[in-house]
Amino acid sequence: DTAVSQTPKYLVTQMGNDKSIKCEQNLGHDTMYWYKQDSKKFLKIMFSYNNKELIINETVPNRFSPKSPDKAHLNLHINSLELGDSAVYFCASSQDFSAGYNEQFFGPGTRLTVL
Amino acid sequence: AQSVTQPDIHITVSEGASLELRCNYSYGATPYLFWYVQSPGQGLQLLLKYFSGDTLVQGIKGFEAEFKRSQSSFNLRKPSVHWSDAAEYFCAVARAQGGATNKLIFGTGTLLAVQP
Repeated sequence: DTAVSQTPKYLVTQMGNDKSIKCEQNLGHDTMYWYKQDSKKFLKIMFSYNNKELIINETVPNRFSPKSPDKAHLNLHINSLELGDSAVYFCASSQDFSAGYNEQFFGPGTRLTVL
Repeated sequence: AQSVTQPDIHITVSEGASLELRCNYSYGATPYLFWYVQSPGQGLQLLLKYFSGDTLVQGIKGFEAEFKRSQSSFNLRKPSVHWSDAAEYFCAVARAQGGATNKLIFGTGTLLAVQP
């Protein structure tokens, strides 16, 4: 069983389109995250939700809107896609956010290419 | 601001040789430190972590890391590298932001190549 899954694995789209990436975890964790990995492999956190509540919101364009329908799911919707949005997006989860030493479990990533 | 530096962008070692990947952090308090590995086309997998206690921590796949507060370092080591260890390695520190202490700050990664 996959612990953290993401769909789709690859996403190719035109500039200006709107797209969504879905993430699900079956670990029973309370906290989920979205990270962006750029072309130089640099990883940066974008958002974090704890039990459906937004707790981390980095300096991300408001074209990016996360949604957590329940604590097992965290989706990422991107409006008006731009070339610079091309990256690999990773979802992750952890038991909770209060203990900094909790391991974060990562999904396989979604490679987004904006043409 | 908290940060993580991995000075080596790319390292090549021979199979069977020892390995040390460097990581330096900047953090005002006792940090939570992690090493993750990313195989090509895959997500990240935790190798090991440090948050308190013994400064030499053991991880999976034969890796270990030593926390040295005086040097602000958390270097990853393996005594004998296998070809399957070829991957990107990321050092990370967890920092507190408001009530959320589980925000990971990643280094820029070290790409490990293993030659026969």
